[in-house]
Amino acid sequence: NAGVTQTPKFRVLKTGQSMTLLCAQDMNHEYMYWYRQDPGMGLRLIHYSVGEGTTAKGEVPDGYNVSRLKKQNFLLGLESAAPSQTSVYFCASSPHSVRENRYEQYFGPGTRLTVT
Amino acid sequence: KNEVEQSPQNLTAQEGEFITINCSYSVGISALHWLQQHPGGGIVSLFMLSSGKKKHGRLIATINIQEKHSSLHITASHPRDSAVYICAVRDRIQGAQKLVFGQGTRLTINP
Repeated sequence: NAGVTQTPKFRVLKTGQSMTLLCAQDMNHEYMYWYRQDPGMGLRLIHYSVGEGTTAKGEVPDGYNVSRLKKQNFLLGLESAAPSQTSVYFCASSPHSVRENRYEQYFGPGTRLTVT
Repeated sequence: KNEVEQSPQNLTAQEGEFITINCSYSVGISALHWLQQHPGGGIVSLFMLSSGKKKHGRLIATINIQEKHSSLHITASHPRDSAVYICAVRDRIQGAQKLVFGQGTRLTINP
């Protein structure tokens, strides 16, 4: 199993450009999340999904959109990139089961995005 | 004030030393997670706790629900333990599946 994968790993955008980050998981997890990590700050939740076809806002959703058309994929879109969106983006997934580890989150390797 | 506070923010120690990283939180929680972020950036889950203590190899995690405090201990530390250690709590009010993260503790173990 590949676990959680993210593409791309690195990207440089100019202000105003758009892009989509792809997260894929092969563990049949119900829940998926997008976080951003900035220096001196903890991971912050952007959007999350509790199942195929559902999405919800997290702590810092402004400037981002998401879609979960297939259970295994969670897409994060930046419609008009801004320098404030320069960050490292992590995707995570977690199962929804009655076992003890049902809330454990599995992280992707991250995408480093720079907006100039 | 952040909901999750970790201390220290940075810690440097010699190989073999006993390491303690602390996490305090201000909200009611259903569980607490300890995560490790490697120098290359990858994040892995170490522990999930709702009470008591858990041990995995040289790592021990404890939680005191009444005092809203958790500690991560590393015995016989080794340079390969150098990483950022992150505490995260599952906020009972916000929903079972959302985590609130601390800023992380950067640990450096020198040979």
